[in-house]
This record gives sequence, C-alpha cells and structure tokens, in this order.
Amino acid sequence: GESVGLHLPTLSVQEGDNSIINCAYSNSASDYFIWYKQESGKGPQFIIDIRSNMDKRQGQRVTVLLNKTVKHLSLQIAATQPGDSAVYFCAESYTQGGSEKLVFGKGTKLTVNP
Amino acid sequence: KAGVTQTPRYLIKTRGQQVTLSCSPISGHRSVSWYQQTPGQGLQFLFEYFSETQRNKGNFPGRFSGRQFSNSRSEMNVSTLELGDSALYLCASSSHPQGVYGYTFGSGTRLTVV
Repeated sequence: GESVGLHLPTLSVQEGDNSIINCAYSNSASDYFIWYKQESGKGPQFIIDIRSNMDKRQGQRVTVLLNKTVKHLSLQIAATQPGDSAVYFCAESYTQGGSEKLVFGKGTKLTVNP
Repeated sequence: KAGVTQTPRYLIKTRGQQVTLSCSPISGHRSVSWYQQTPGQGLQFLFEYFSETQRNKGNFPGRFSGRQFSNSRSEMNVSTLELGDSALYLCASSSHPQGVYGYTFGSGTRLTVV
C-alpha cells in the first residue's frame, strides 16, 4: 500500500547542532526520493532529491542518505539554524499501473532552539 | 520566473456551499497536481492534470473535481462543502507527470468551512 512514514514526528535541536530526520518507505520499487521543507504559512519547498541508483547526495548543508536494503531515507542538516525550523516531508516516487505515483510522508517538525 | 500562484489565499465558506480554487503553474509546466493538507492526514493527493487531461486521481469523493485549461492553469471545485473539508489546498506544478522530477508548490489556499 501507500506508506511513507517518519520515525519521529518532532525533533528539537540546538542551533549549530546537526539534525537528522528519518523516513521509512514501503515500496521497494520506488526509484526516486525527494525531501521537502514546509515553513509555516507556505507550501512545501524542494530541498534535495536522490535516485535509487545512488546512496548519498549532498547539497548545501544538507545530505540525503538512501539505504535500499532497509528502505530507509534520511536527511542530514549540518549546523542547523533557526531558519531551518519547519516541517520536513519525504516523498517516494514509483510506477504503478503504468502511471507514476508520488507519495508523501506525514512530516517531521523540526524546531531549532537558539 | 514566477512561481506557482494560488488564489485566493484564504476562504471561509459555510456547509453546503461550493468553492472553486485556482492555480497558475510555472510557465512551461504542463502538469498540475492538487493536494489536501490537514494536521491529521498530512498531504493527500487529490488529482493530477497534464495537458488538460486528468491523469491520476486520489481517493476523494466525487464532490472534489478539477480541470485544466489550455494555458495549463487549473481549477479545483468542491461542492456541498462539509466541515471536514477545512484544510490547506496545495497546488503543485511540474514539467513532467506526477512530479517525477519534483514539484514546485504554491503557498496554498486555506479553506475554512463553518
């Protein structure tokens, strides 16, 4: 079924620390994964993506790790800043019945304490 | 280039009424998807339009409908509103179907049904 879940619904960190947000996905056929950030009052914003033929991808202060063996995805944020406070969603993409599907997780709320 | 524009930003309706929400995608994007976001259910896929054709539909009742125009602008309509329809409705555009290379989201329309 469609199931993309998050291990922790909330995460609180100190400014300057590194943050790790986890996501479990259920469809082993998923071949593309995306992390989104949603700030209060705004729509989700693309952060970083990764294809299933990779296990790591780095962006600016963010790294996504993909472990296909255990169907686990994580987002690492280095030197977390107050502006990183938001809800983070993972999403998985797969093809079903000839059409592509993009399924979102329920989100993890990250709070950065100054 | 301009982002995804949703109008109106806020809307208050009474039960039984109908509502129409509008979305203008990023120029050149032919795929428009609609999502309902509530605190309890997260992001729920409503439907996707690509080149004026509905490609995918989520598990929502027939009261929820949509359409896409030749300029890729899209509208969604909810008839016979219920209290449970109160939510943030997000529109997302993509150059490819189902956002398989990522969506760009609008800021959403906050619908309150009283």
